[in-house]
Amino acid sequence: KNQVEQSPQSLIILEGKNCTLQCNYTVSPFSNLRWYKQDTGRGPVSLTIMTFSENTKSNGRYTATLDADTKQSSLHITASQLSDSASYICVVSGPYAGGTSYGKLTFGQGTILTVHP
Amino acid sequence: GAVVSQHPSRVICKSGTSVKIECRSLDFQATTMFWYRQFPKKSLMLMATSNEGSKATYEQGVEKDKFLINHASLTLSTLTVTSAHPEDSSFYICSAIRDRGFGNSPLHFGNGTRLTVT
Repeated sequence: KNQVEQSPQSLIILEGKNCTLQCNYTVSPFSNLRWYKQDTGRGPVSLTIMTFSENTKSNGRYTATLDADTKQSSLHITASQLSDSASYICVVSGPYAGGTSYGKLTFGQGTILTVHP
Repeated sequence: GAVVSQHPSRVICKSGTSVKIECRSLDFQATTMFWYRQFPKKSLMLMATSNEGSKATYEQGVEKDKFLINHASLTLSTLTVTSAHPEDSSFYICSAIRDRGFGNSPLHFGNGTRLTVT
């Protein structure tokens, strides 16, 4: 069964500190891995997308890493800000289904990050 | 950037009534749209995949007669919750990919609809 497990479930840090969120997956075969940020009561917003051949990708203060061999990914947030408080969701895409260019997505349960002043 | 507009953002309805939620891609054509349901502190659960001009594909366990999906144009998909009951109360989110989007294209989400059935 394809699964995406995220840890920790929740995290509290002080403003200005760094943090790392983890994502382990069993989706196979694998097409790409995405990290999304979801503010409370809003839809998710894309942070990074990585294919199996990419090891790291950055988007401002967000840096995602991927180890396709161990099926692990991490999202590192540097110099956290209050606005980083949100749920961070790891989403893994399987291979493209016939006739479509989009693979089936498996969502992690998310990590709720709270940044305190 | 690509924008997906979802309306309404909040709706309260009485048990037994139907509610329609709209999902529009504002600056791109979306051949495929997805509908999700999200419970508090849980991740998104895919309900159905909506393809323009054809019937939606529902995930296992999702009642197609309960959750009617219509994708009448390349920029609009609607989800109608029929004969709503309190257990249908949830956060519903749509997403869309650009026409001819490839597998590594970003998935653009609407801002969700909070449905409360009393």
